[in-house]
Amino acid sequence: DAGITQSPRHKVTETGTPVTLRCHQTENHRYMYWYRQDPGHGLRLIHYSYGVKDTDKGEVSDGYSVSRSKTEDFLLTLESATSSQTSVYFCAIKDSLGNSPLHFGNGTRLTVT
Amino acid sequence: DQQVKQNSPSLSVQEGRISILNCDYTNSMFDYFLWYKKYPAEGPTFLISISSIKDKNEDGRFTVFLNKSAKHLSLHIVPSQPGDSAVYFCAASDPGGYQKVTFGTGTKLQVIP
Repeated sequence: DAGITQSPRHKVTETGTPVTLRCHQTENHRYMYWYRQDPGHGLRLIHYSYGVKDTDKGEVSDGYSVSRSKTEDFLLTLESATSSQTSVYFCAIKDSLGNSPLHFGNGTRLTVT
Repeated sequence: DQQVKQNSPSLSVQEGRISILNCDYTNSMFDYFLWYKKYPAEGPTFLISISSIKDKNEDGRFTVFLNKSAKHLSLHIVPSQPGDSAVYFCAASDPGGYQKVTFGTGTKLQVIP
């Protein structure tokens, strides 16, 4: 496994509360990504980062923000969680701009009640 | 707009036979294609990839075929084994925008012993 750790692995929270998910990598890769997986939708990109403090939106970014203050950490924040954000969240890393694959963490299962 | 489509949500195959998973894409800018395998409660793991300059790439029991004119790719698994039972995601990357990777909705493969 690539050195990617997601925390927490499971979380249950209430509607309207803020939630932060953490992705930590030990590979020193420049590129980091947050995806969510939902039935019928596959994996959809939320936000990505191409360096420290450099981030951009993916296709489903509404309601989410990210921060990357260090190469190894990429945080995903739900400012005010909604039930539609119940999902499994995956972090991925990539080492270069060339044709190389993403490597994923084991995911965080988030339930918003 | 689903740019990467996997039209078969599920597939059942007998052990020892060939499994063929299909994927279609609409964005002609995609130039790198990947297949991922996912077991429950784990992150997707990279399986095999192909660049748009090739039409076939082989790795052991896994072969990916790319038909650019039809915007179609397929993954062949020969022979299929029970341990291959998983969800398979097709993905595609374009050279711009920090090579964001777009995923299909997945095909659940069941290999029957």
